[in-house]
Amino acid sequence: DQQVKQNSPSLSVQEGRISILNCDYTNSMFDYFLWYKKYPAEGPTFLISISSIKDKNEDGRFTVFLNKSAKHLSLHIVPSQPGDSAVYFCAASDSGTYKYIFGTGTRLKVLA
Amino acid sequence: GAGVSQSPSNKVTEKGKDVELRCDPISGHTALYWYRQSLGQGLEFLIYFQGNSAPDKSGLPSDRFSAERTGGSVSTLTIQRTQQEDSAVYLCASSLIAGGADTQYFGPGTRLTVL
Repeated sequence: DQQVKQNSPSLSVQEGRISILNCDYTNSMFDYFLWYKKYPAEGPTFLISISSIKDKNEDGRFTVFLNKSAKHLSLHIVPSQPGDSAVYFCAASDSGTYKYIFGTGTRLKVLA
Repeated sequence: GAGVSQSPSNKVTEKGKDVELRCDPISGHTALYWYRQSLGQGLEFLIYFQGNSAPDKSGLPSDRFSAERTGGSVSTLTIQRTQQEDSAVYLCASSLIAGGADTQYFGPGTRLTVL
């Protein structure tokens, strides 16, 4: 039973355009969500997070949107840059616990 | 400062052998996690250590897997009698405190290949 789903395994976007990565979850107890970025041969690095009390969090070119009623979150990258090419994982947590549940990742390729 | 380090970076072993994977967390981080990423899968939680508390081993896939954390710092994940399905990248993460809202910092991982 996959509680966190990233249904698009890959995405290609032109440099300068917007990248939108999507994530769906099933557990209504999740109240904290994160995005991690992973380059080959490296561990995931934290990118941005959002608490369920908010519906948007912005950090530079990265914005995460949370739609609690739809149990859906998305990561927007604008403008996309070739250095953004990586695998992006979303993760969800019930902040009363310490476990993150990760999605399977979306490989983003930004074309120059 | 130094991040989370893991060794070895790559390990190739024969089916049936035992392997040990090491994780050095960020100094001062009390929480330590092990995950596994198999090909085409997300990160699968294996085990969690918090201070001197009993670890949460609920994610360990079989009794061939064990882990310990000595002195509240370095951790070792041991896989006995390895099987081909154990082939994966094993990732260690640490966080300053326990809690779902605390950011976990990951090491580069150990890629394990069981022939």
